[in-house]
Amino acid sequence: QKEVEQNSGPLSVPEGAIASLNCTYSDRGSQSFFWYRQYSGKSPELIMSIYSNGDKEDGRFTAQLNKASQYVSLLIRDSQPSDSATYLCAQGANSKLTFGKGITLSVRP
Amino acid sequence: DTAVSQTPKYLVTQMGNDKSIKCEQNLGHDTMYWYKQDSKKFLKIMFSYNNKELIINETVPNRFSPKSPDKAHLNLHINSLELGDSAVYFCASSQAGRIKETQYFGPGTRLLVL
Repeated sequence: QKEVEQNSGPLSVPEGAIASLNCTYSDRGSQSFFWYRQYSGKSPELIMSIYSNGDKEDGRFTAQLNKASQYVSLLIRDSQPSDSATYLCAQGANSKLTFGKGITLSVRP
Repeated sequence: DTAVSQTPKYLVTQMGNDKSIKCEQNLGHDTMYWYKQDSKKFLKIMFSYNNKELIINETVPNRFSPKSPDKAHLNLHINSLELGDSAVYFCASSQAGRIKETQYFGPGTRLLVL
């Protein structure tokens, strides 16, 4: 059974701080990993994808993947109130995404 | 331009009724999905079609029947609706083999069974 585990949260950080979101996964065969952001009442929106070990940066977002530890994380630098949302981690294999339960981030002004 | 669209957006119905949800994508993708997101926000895959062929069928009651008339459309028919079917149903699409399974989600259909 493929599983993706995320810290239950919620996570609260002050505006301008770094928010660190973590995720572990069970399927060693997965080649692709994703972070989706979901605002309340909206659909999941892809913000980062990562396929190889190391860091991948896109603006204020950095995804980190460690396949040996089966660990993927998302760092959000200079957090803004508009970053307040639920963040879903997912692993992909054979056209199937398995999602974690999500963590709710609140950025305090 | 809406990439993945779903109708209806909201659906309120009585237990025991039969209802359908429709999904269309204009991204040129060949793979489409149905997900269910429960009240605790857990997002779980139900079905996936690739070029009109069913490729993923998770443990879903057979009251749920997907149909894909062409690769741009995927519908979900639900028979004999139960209270536990109340959830948000998301359609998604991707292109197999391209950008390694990146999936794009529709706006969701909020189903409430009374």
